Amino acid sequence: GESVGLHLPTLSVQEGDNSIINCAYSNSASDYFIWYKQESGKGPQFIIDIRSNMDKRQGQRVTVLLNKTVKHLSLQIAATQPGDSAVYFCAEMRTGANSKLTFGKGITLSVRP
Amino acid sequence: DSGVTQTPKHLITATGQRVTLRCSPRSGDLSVYWYQQSLDQGLQFLIQYYNGEERAKGNILERFSAQQFPDLHSELNLSSLELGDSALYFCASSRIRGGYTFGSGTRLTVV
Repeated sequence: GESVGLHLPTLSVQEGDNSIINCAYSNSASDYFIWYKQESGKGPQFIIDIRSNMDKRQGQRVTVLLNKTVKHLSLQIAATQPGDSAVYFCAEMRTGANSKLTFGKGITLSVRP
Repeated sequence: DSGVTQTPKHLITATGQRVTLRCSPRSGDLSVYWYQQSLDQGLQFLIQYYNGEERAKGNILERFSAQQFPDLHSELNLSSLELGDSALYFCASSRIRGGYTFGSGTRLTVV
């Protein structure tokens, strides 16, 4: 069956360093991928997305890379700040009328001062 | 404020009881999704509604049901509650294409 998983459960980085969070997916039919951030006590918040016809997309301090050959997705956060501490989820979707997001388990990013 | 409103924020109830969780989607969004989040399972898709009709079902138990009303708000009904049903329940809404916007969730505790 389809699955989206994260390689590591926790990631600790120094404030100011760059963070890289990795994700593997298994459904080659997925055509849309999203990274979400979830802070304690809140719902998942959209960070950045990418469609399967792209391999890179940049936002403000964040970059998502998609490697369809190895079914790998990554989120890069530049100059990581304490406010970036949260749980990060990758999610995949096959767009269409009955589309639904399938989420990975989540990885906790901890930023050391 | 994401624009998706969920009530109540917290709910404590006893085993065997029935509860109703409510969700108002973001203005203009026709699709509503329900997810369950527990510590060891991550975000699990339960069910999707689009403009009042059920569109997709995930790992939703038979004890659980949902509906979407003409004003597009949705309710998730959980009955014969068990301890294992304790979790965060999230509602999300979306337009035809694009990502989901999540509400702040309802934390259900079954004692």
